[in-house]
Amino acid sequence: GEDVEQSLFLSVREGDSSVINCTYTDSSSTYLYWYKQEPGAGLQLLTYIFSNMDMKQDQRLTVLLNKKDKHLSLRIADTQTGDSAIYFCAGRGLTGGGNKLTFGTGTQLKVEL
Amino acid sequence: DGGITQSPKYLFRKEGQNVTLSCEQNLNHDAMYWYRQDPGQGLRLIYYSQIVNDFQKGDIAEGYSVSREKKESFPLTVTSAQKNPTAFYLCASSTALQGGTYGYTFGSGTRLTVV
Repeated sequence: GEDVEQSLFLSVREGDSSVINCTYTDSSSTYLYWYKQEPGAGLQLLTYIFSNMDMKQDQRLTVLLNKKDKHLSLRIADTQTGDSAIYFCAGRGLTGGGNKLTFGTGTQLKVEL
Repeated sequence: DGGITQSPKYLFRKEGQNVTLSCEQNLNHDAMYWYRQDPGQGLRLIYYSQIVNDFQKGDIAEGYSVSREKKESFPLTVTSAQKNPTAFYLCASSTALQGGTYGYTFGSGTRLTVV
């Protein structure tokens, strides 16, 4: 099965860029996702990238995928206090059957004034 | 609006009791999932179902049971055999397509506390 790893914490100042990193083991992963979880809430899909892409940009969010190193990152430009949350990366590979995703441990982003 | 609803938001369980968490979706999704979230441990898969009347154990199924009698509903029962049930429980759903971009749609979660 797939393993997905993330660092647990990241602290940035408001207005700076945040970069949240993720490494995964399953090279057959077809889609990779970033989810955001605010306190006491469910996960909200932020963006996704297909494995044949290197980069995807969506407003303040930029996703970079390095397939050789199995490394995924999420850059948030002009980080705001409302971006404080836990961010999960997730991968969907060809193993495991169906549409089952494997989630990372989550990165707690804290935005300071 | 289509979505996935979990209830209740907060649930308290006495030692030795079974409790059932509700999860309902009106997205016409085939697949549904239950996750447990503990601080610093991310999401751990309890059970999932890809079609009505069928479900599979996830990574931490012991002490839990599920049913999938209707496409829209996937209730989770936390039994007295689950020794450490205090956690945040998340339900999700997705299409069962092998291709496509679809990730999961999540409910807002149920926080279960043993008292």
